[in-house]
Amino acid sequence: DAGITQSPRHKVTETGTPVTLRCHQTENHRYMYWYRQDPGHGLRLIHYSYGVKDTDKGEVSDGYSVSRSKTEDFLLTLESATSSQTSVYFCAISGDSRQPQHFGDGTRLSIL
Amino acid sequence: DQQVKQNSPSLSVQEGRISILNCDYTNSMFDYFLWYKKYPAEGPTFLISISSIKDKNEDGRFTVFLNKSAKHLSLHIVPSQPGDSAVYFCAASAGYGGATNKLIFGTGTLLAVQP
Repeated sequence: DAGITQSPRHKVTETGTPVTLRCHQTENHRYMYWYRQDPGHGLRLIHYSYGVKDTDKGEVSDGYSVSRSKTEDFLLTLESATSSQTSVYFCAISGDSRQPQHFGDGTRLSIL
Repeated sequence: DQQVKQNSPSLSVQEGRISILNCDYTNSMFDYFLWYKKYPAEGPTFLISISSIKDKNEDGRFTVFLNKSAKHLSLHIVPSQPGDSAVYFCAASAGYGGATNKLIFGTGTLLAVQP
């Protein structure tokens, strides 16, 4: 299994609070991704990174920011969480853009 | 507007028989397709992929077929086993040779293999 750790695995928080999810990899892969999974939508890309300090938006990036200060860590931040951001969040990694992405086990986030 | 569609939310198959999971896409720029399997409380696991220069790719019990003119791909699992019971996601991307790898996922099909 690809060495991907997501933390926390579960989180419950209130509307309006900031939330940061962490993805840590031990594979030294260049590309890292954040997805959310919702019923009826499959997985949707939020943001991705193609190197340290290099990030770009995905299809559902509004309300989210990311940072990558070192190769192994990719952080996803909800500046002011809303109930519509209740979801399961998955991190993925790949060595280059032509390789399949490998996923972590997800973070279940509930915003009340 | 769903660019990758899996129109069957669920499929039930007897152990030992063939499972066929279908996926349709609308974006003619897609040139790389993947199938992922997902068990509950786990992340998706890569199964098999195919690029648009091929019409078939095989890996053990899993075969993916691509029909570009119909914008359709399918995953065949032969023979099906109870451990194959999971949600299967189809995914597609454009610009295979480019610098990014933005995957567009379908909504998934729940496969149940009955012993």
